[in-house]
This record gives sequence, C-alpha cells and structure tokens, in this order.
Amino acid sequence: DAGVIQSPRHEVTEMGQEVTLRCKPISGHNSLFWYRQTMMRGLELLIYFNNNVPIDDSGMPEDRFSAKMPNASFSTLKIQPSEPRDSAVYFCASSLAGVGHNEQFFGPGTRLTVL
Amino acid sequence: SQKIEQNSEALNIQEGKTATLTCNYTNYSPAYLQWYRQDPGRGPVFLLLIRENEKEKRKERLKVTFDTTLKQSLFHITASQPADSATYLCALDMRNQGGKLIFGQGTELSVKP
Repeated sequence: DAGVIQSPRHEVTEMGQEVTLRCKPISGHNSLFWYRQTMMRGLELLIYFNNNVPIDDSGMPEDRFSAKMPNASFSTLKIQPSEPRDSAVYFCASSLAGVGHNEQFFGPGTRLTVL
Repeated sequence: SQKIEQNSEALNIQEGKTATLTCNYTNYSPAYLQWYRQDPGRGPVFLLLIRENEKEKRKERLKVTFDTTLKQSLFHITASQPADSATYLCALDMRNQGGKLIFGQGTELSVKP
C-alpha cells in the first residue's frame, strides 16, 4: 500500500482565495482525521470521520473551514476565504479506529502558505 | 478540557546516553497512551502503545512507562544514537470516541555524536 496520500504537498496562495486540500486514506481503514500543525499550537485535530460520517468537527477553527468525505477513499479540507493565519502544515491520517493499537497513519502533509 | 504537556525545552544528550521524555496529562483517564516520532518535513509515525494495566512496555531500545495515578508517561531511549534525533509526541488514546487521539506539543530530541 502507498500509505496515506495528500495533495498538493505545497500550496502558496493569496489571502481571500479558496484552498482545497485532498487526502486518500489507506484502503480498508474506517477512520480519517484532519490535523493542523504550527510551532505555536502543535498538532491540532480539526475534524474526523468514521465510515465517511463526520464525528467531531469541534476543532475546526471557523466557518471558513469545511471538510467532506464523499466516499471511503477520498476526503477534502477546504478553506474559503483563506487568511495568513491559516498558514500551517495540514496532515491527514487514517486508522482502523478502536482496533488493536488504534494507531494512526499520517500522510506527508500539505504545507500551506497564505500571503 | 484535556491538557497534555511534554518537556517544553528541547533535549540535548550525548550519544550512548539514555534519553528520558516526559508526558503529563490532566482531566482525563485514558486506558491507552501512544508515542509517535516525527522527523522534519514528515508526518508522525507510530512507535508504541501502552495500556493502563501495563506498567512498562519495551521495543528494542525504547521503553515506555505509564503511571495512571501520577497521570504521567515516561519515554526512554537507551544507548541513544544521532539517528534518534527527532521530535517525539505522546498522545492520549480516546478510542471510545471514534479512535480520536489528543497529541502533546512534542519534545525535540537531539543526540550529539
């Protein structure tokens, strides 16, 4: 398996633009997590899905952020409109939630810069 | 809300010594705790899981302890090597909430040759 795949790897955009981050989880995993990582705040959980259903979006900072998981193999995180303070590395992770180690497998991340 | 704290300062040690990283948490009683390693420019990678009824867990040169009374986990790397240099994150395992993890800020470890 190729692991968790994220695209793009780097995104530079201007304030006010819409940004869409994409994630393909590991096949067979039933849970998907979106995180944001900054030096100041560390790794923050934004939203997660079990069996394609959003379970908890309390970590989403504002209404400008939205996430979808239309099927088991694809999820998007959208920021509209983007702001400079959204600059961070965004990680997607997947797991077989609650099974065995319950370990999460992380993608390589998307480094977002909003100018 | 849950609060999870790790050594706030970076840890610098000499090759061959034992590195000890601390993870303290409040307002929660997890049955499991996980440790991850993160290298620059990469996502975290799972290392170890410890259960509340396990005092200690080992994997090669790694050892994790879990004291549910103190609400603390210690992560040890024995005979440390420069290749162990990375950021190490602990995570409260809230698997009863859909497999959710709550991560600490991480401790940056630097092993000097």
